[in-house]
Amino acid sequence: DAGVIQSPRHEVTEMGQEVTLRCKPISGHNSLFWYRQTMMRGLELLIYFNNNVPIDDSGMPEDRFSAKMPNASFSTLKIQPSEPRDSAVYFCASSFRGGPETQYFGPGTRLLVL
Amino acid sequence: AQSVTQPDIHITVSEGASLELRCNYSYGATPYLFWYVQSPGQGLQLLLKYFSGDTLVQGIKGFEAEFKRSQSSFNLRKPSVHWSDAAEYFCAVGARNTDKLIFGTGTRLQVFP
Repeated sequence: DAGVIQSPRHEVTEMGQEVTLRCKPISGHNSLFWYRQTMMRGLELLIYFNNNVPIDDSGMPEDRFSAKMPNASFSTLKIQPSEPRDSAVYFCASSFRGGPETQYFGPGTRLLVL
Repeated sequence: AQSVTQPDIHITVSEGASLELRCNYSYGATPYLFWYVQSPGQGLQLLLKYFSGDTLVQGIKGFEAEFKRSQSSFNLRKPSVHWSDAAEYFCAVGARNTDKLIFGTGTRLQVFP
């Protein structure tokens, strides 16, 4: 299995631009998680989906952030407009079924907003 | 509410020395417990997990962890550390009625030759 795939791996953009991060979960997994990692705040859960449905988005920082999962094999996290404080590493993870099962992490997208 | 505490932000050991990384959790029932490792520039990789049964669990790369209910702890151990073990280690807890994992703030391990 290819594991969780994230793209792009690195993104540099200017403040005010739209940023779209992409994730392909492991085939057969039905839960998908978006995390943000920074030095100051550590690893934060932003949102998670179960069977393509958003279950908990309480970690989404503000309306500038949105996430979608149009099908079982693809999810996006969008930031519009981006701000320098959004600079972080964004991870996508997937797991096989509901409940606190093992989550498999992608390699992350390192975002820098200038 | 669930929470995880990793009291050590940074630990330095010599190669070949033993290692113990501490993890304390807060949860009203028996939790699901995990240890993940993150190498620089990489995602998190599962080392081991505890769901039930034997309280001493074995993981990959020679790591083990022991669940101690009386101390609300799930400490990670390795008898002899290798230079390649230098990384950041995260403890996480999950509840039985949710998909979410709560991660600790991590412990950065440095290994000296």
